[in-house]
Amino acid sequence: GESVGLHLPTLSVQEGDNSIINCAYSNSASDYFIWYKQESGKGPQFIIDIRSNMDKRQGQRVTVLLNKTVKHLSLQIAATQPGDSAVYFCAENTVLIKAAGNKLTFGGGTRVLVKP
Amino acid sequence: GAGVSQSPRYKVAKRGQDVALRCDPISGHVSLFWYQQALGQGPEFLTYFQNEAQLDKSGLPSDRFFAERPEGSVSTLKIQRTQQEDSAVYLCASSARRVGVAEQYFGPGTRLTVT
Repeated sequence: GESVGLHLPTLSVQEGDNSIINCAYSNSASDYFIWYKQESGKGPQFIIDIRSNMDKRQGQRVTVLLNKTVKHLSLQIAATQPGDSAVYFCAENTVLIKAAGNKLTFGGGTRVLVKP
Repeated sequence: GAGVSQSPRYKVAKRGQDVALRCDPISGHVSLFWYQQALGQGPEFLTYFQNEAQLDKSGLPSDRFFAERPEGSVSTLKIQRTQQEDSAVYLCASSARRVGVAEQYFGPGTRLTVT
């Protein structure tokens, strides 16, 4: 399939190391945040989410950190594996504002390349 | 597999032609979204349906873009008189809930190339 992002910021990581991907979001009213993984030729795949009343949430090998003061979100991947190679997007939503619906606003994305 | 499917996967259109892109959401999902993803960028919202009702079309870039979901399941995104700037991947997503926190499941997308 074609590449998702030819001109994206790239993070090169050695297999087994931890990865940290950062995202600055724009809307101070956003109250729900999601990280998506997108492999070439595929649609975005949900990784982990966090609501604005939390500052940290852990999943399997992944942790999301939220700093509302500076509107910053990060995704940490522990023991990065070759299968983690993909483009990662953060997305924000305002679920408590019903008129906004559930539309997601995506950030620009980061490509992660895992070196064996 | 019961994921979101989209067809065609690839579409090449000559400038000025009309195209129709199809989305089959996960069965029973109430909400359906269309996004446009330009190369090297994140998806951008186009429009949102709750069942058959189009509740938000604020992201449609021009009146050449039209979406429908007449029976509250399958949706079609139509682009009339395609232009080169319409070249992108068009993603469809569905969600089980109307409002509130709900995971959106994405299809593989349709890559549209306008020549």
